[in-house]
Amino acid sequence: SQTIHQWPATLVQPVGSPLSLECTVEGTSNPNLYWYRQAAGRGLQLLFYSVGIGQISSEVPQNLSASRPQDRQFILSSKKLLLSDSGFYLCAWDRGYGYTFGSGTRLTVV
Amino acid sequence: KQEVTQIPAALSVPEGENLVLNCSFTDSAIYNLQWFRQDPGKGLTSLLLIQSSQREQTSGRLNASLDKSSGRSTLYIAASQPGDSATYLCAVPNTNAGKSTFGDGTTLTVKP
Repeated sequence: SQTIHQWPATLVQPVGSPLSLECTVEGTSNPNLYWYRQAAGRGLQLLFYSVGIGQISSEVPQNLSASRPQDRQFILSSKKLLLSDSGFYLCAWDRGYGYTFGSGTRLTVV
Repeated sequence: KQEVTQIPAALSVPEGENLVLNCSFTDSAIYNLQWFRQDPGKGLTSLLLIQSSQREQTSGRLNASLDKSSGRSTLYIAASQPGDSATYLCAVPNTNAGKSTFGDGTTLTVKP
């Protein structure tokens, strides 16, 4: 069966520090991968999506970046965090038959 | 550009009541629609996926319907329970690279 792992679950980082969130998928190959952010009480905002290794599309210009070094690995990064980067980050995958989400990472930038 | 609307934004009902959550979308050229549940501080859990060729899907006390021509889907919850309290979101895929557009959700509170 397919599973998606996302870590860490919570993270508190100072302004200006780097960020690396990782997401891995098991039990499938060549998935579409997505990073979403959900601000408190708000809807989902698509940040990045990837249809293959090394292929990244950015939906919202910001100080975040994403990479897909392996078929089932998706990484969200920042060189210098801003207060506005705080939020709930969700990774998801699909192959045209519906989305499966990870459990999310709660990021607080202080 | 696909737009997805969920009304109401919040709903409070007594336990045992049957209820309907609504999801509207502007572009009817979709190939599926997915309903999710999100508990506070948690990820999204898929509840039902309706293919465009289907009119409805059922899972336990949940029934989701899809009317592409009118751009609407409903999620029917029978005999609601306090454990059903959560935010319910619907999502429709865009034609581009499988990206989906999500509604902002309906937050349901079922009172004992």
